[in-house]
Amino acid sequence: GQNIDQPTEMTATEGAIVQINCTYQTSGFNGLFWYQQHAGEAPTFLSYNVLDGLEEKGRFSSFLSRSKGYSYLLLKELQMKDSASYLCAAYNNAGNMLTFGGGTRLMVKP
Amino acid sequence: DVKVTQSSRYLVKRTGEKVFLECVQDMDHENMFWYRQDPGLGLRLIYFSYDVKMKEKGDIPEGYSVSREKKERFSLILESASTNQTSMYLCASSAPGTGQEQFFGPGTRLTVL
Repeated sequence: GQNIDQPTEMTATEGAIVQINCTYQTSGFNGLFWYQQHAGEAPTFLSYNVLDGLEEKGRFSSFLSRSKGYSYLLLKELQMKDSASYLCAAYNNAGNMLTFGGGTRLMVKP
Repeated sequence: DVKVTQSSRYLVKRTGEKVFLECVQDMDHENMFWYRQDPGLGLRLIYFSYDVKMKEKGDIPEGYSVSREKKERFSLILESASTNQTSMYLCASSAPGTGQEQFFGPGTRLTVL
């Protein structure tokens, strides 16, 4: 079966750093996606990790440990516009499909 | 600018009606997907397609069917809408190959009364 877990909600302060964790148990795993979704809008791609380690893209970084079934998204220098839901999704190579977690709603406060 | 469009942002239908949700992408993508998104459950895959006239069941296909007559268009059909199909429906497309990013449409919020 497929199981993706991430916290439902998080709150952080503008200018701070926040880490959103994601654990997964999936068959045929071949990579981990992170998407951002503002309320009422379509999800947009943030990152894709297939190898272990940290990948940095400006204020956003994503980490993957395949042996631990664990990923996190790190957001630095938080801005109010970062208030959104962050979706973790495991990529299944066998079916070319994504299995999504429930999403983490991040609220950034002044 | 790449784009996935969906025919309606909001739709209200009655129980038992046949409902068509249309999705069009302009990126010449082979892969297209239909998801529904419900609070606390995330996105769940209903059906997907790798090519014209080809379809595969996702995790929750019951009560739905799909049609892909042209590469750019993927339709989701609710043969007889029920109240438990009230949801946000999202269409996505991607290029072929491992780990390709999926591009999402804006979504259709369907309410079945």
